Amino acid sequence: GAGVSQTPSNKVTEKGKYVELRCDPISGHTALYWYRQSLGQGPEFLIYFQGTGAADDSGLPNDRFFAVRPEGSVSTLKIQRTERGDSAVYLCASSLMRISSYEQYFGPGTRLTVT
Amino acid sequence: AQKVTQAQTEISVVEKEDVTLDCVYETRDTTYYLFWYKQPPSGELVFLIRRNSFDEQNEISGRYSWNFQKSTSSFNFTITASQVVDSAVYFCALSESLNDYKLSFGAGTTVTVRA
Repeated sequence: GAGVSQTPSNKVTEKGKYVELRCDPISGHTALYWYRQSLGQGPEFLIYFQGTGAADDSGLPNDRFFAVRPEGSVSTLKIQRTERGDSAVYLCASSLMRISSYEQYFGPGTRLTVT
Repeated sequence: AQKVTQAQTEISVVEKEDVTLDCVYETRDTTYYLFWYKQPPSGELVFLIRRNSFDEQNEISGRYSWNFQKSTSSFNFTITASQVVDSAVYFCALSESLNDYKLSFGAGTTVTVRA
């Protein structure tokens, strides 16, 4: 079956611009996660959705970052006034339910480059 | 505070050699979960194993084996008879009972298997 998909695969933007990154989870998965992976590092948690609501957004670095999941499926990560330090690979994952008995399936990521 | 430490940044081996990846974790929870993920050059994280804190049995899956030792807070991963296709970055991760959906990753170990 189809895995987690993310679009675009690559995004280059200028400092100060607004970007949106999209995640399509596996069908039927109620839990969705965003992580950010900087070069040479492991992924870092950003936000977790259970259904339509953001159950935990404690990993978002500041108020320039925002994510939505209006219908409980597709999610969009939005970054305002991008900075060069936002350059990273943004990973989306989904799981059947929230508890860690259920494996998180990761998408291929969106590589964001802020020039 | 770093919850997961992977002290080895890079390991290079010749095909058919065994390779062991170290993972040391830190948590005050008595209930927690440990994971290993593989990230091949394509970039997509692939789940390998999940272990809960109450199950200290070692596990073997084909050429992969895992050694979980609570006494030393370690969850090491061995690839036996390595193959070129094993070349990837391997991440160890921890989730704790309070926020069991939130994976805390180590920095990863890059494994290069030479033919």
